[in-house]
Amino acid sequence: GQSLEQPSEVTAVEGAIVQINCTYQTSGFYGLSWYQQHDGGAPTFLSYNALDGLEETGRFSSFLSRSDSYGYLLLQELQMKDSASYFCAVRRNQGGKLIFGQGTELSVKP
Amino acid sequence: GAVVSQHPSWVICKSGTSVKIECRSLDFQATTMFWYRQFPKQSLMLMATSNEGSKATYEQGVEKDKFLINHASLTLSTLTVTSAHPEDSSFYICSASYPRAGLAANEQFFGPGTRLTVL
Repeated sequence: GQSLEQPSEVTAVEGAIVQINCTYQTSGFYGLSWYQQHDGGAPTFLSYNALDGLEETGRFSSFLSRSDSYGYLLLQELQMKDSASYFCAVRRNQGGKLIFGQGTELSVKP
Repeated sequence: GAVVSQHPSWVICKSGTSVKIECRSLDFQATTMFWYRQFPKQSLMLMATSNEGSKATYEQGVEKDKFLINHASLTLSTLTVTSAHPEDSSFYICSASYPRAGLAANEQFFGPGTRLTVL
């Protein structure tokens, strides 16, 4: 079977740092992507890891350990607008087919 | 760049009717598009992979005769929900693979989604 596990919800305060973990078990692994989705909106691409290590993009960083089938998204200097759902997704092949986790709802409080 | 549009953004229809949803890549050519369905507070479930000029590949459990997919050009894929029923009410989202080199090759860009309500 295929499964991706991530926490269902996380709460943090403005200015804080939060880490959203994702563990996966899939047949076929090409890379791990992260997407942000605001209520009623389309998912937007945040980050992608194909190799082990840390990828940094502004306030967001993503990490991958292929040997541990584990990754995380790190959000720094949290802002109210970061309140959204965050999905990890395994890219199963070069063609880009994605299998999504259940999503983590992040609430940022003042 | 890499903009994907969907039309309509929302639709209400009667049970038993068919509804067509369009997905367009506006500033790039997409040989592969994907269709997802998302229920409230749930994840995106991949329904099918749409390849230009060939038949779509459906995920297990998705009825291909009910969800007809046509990818007639490099910028347009359509999903037709045939004989819609209330349980088909959902948020339907398409994405297109953006062809570029490097590790993020074939990154997917998502359309804004279509909210379908079947009465």
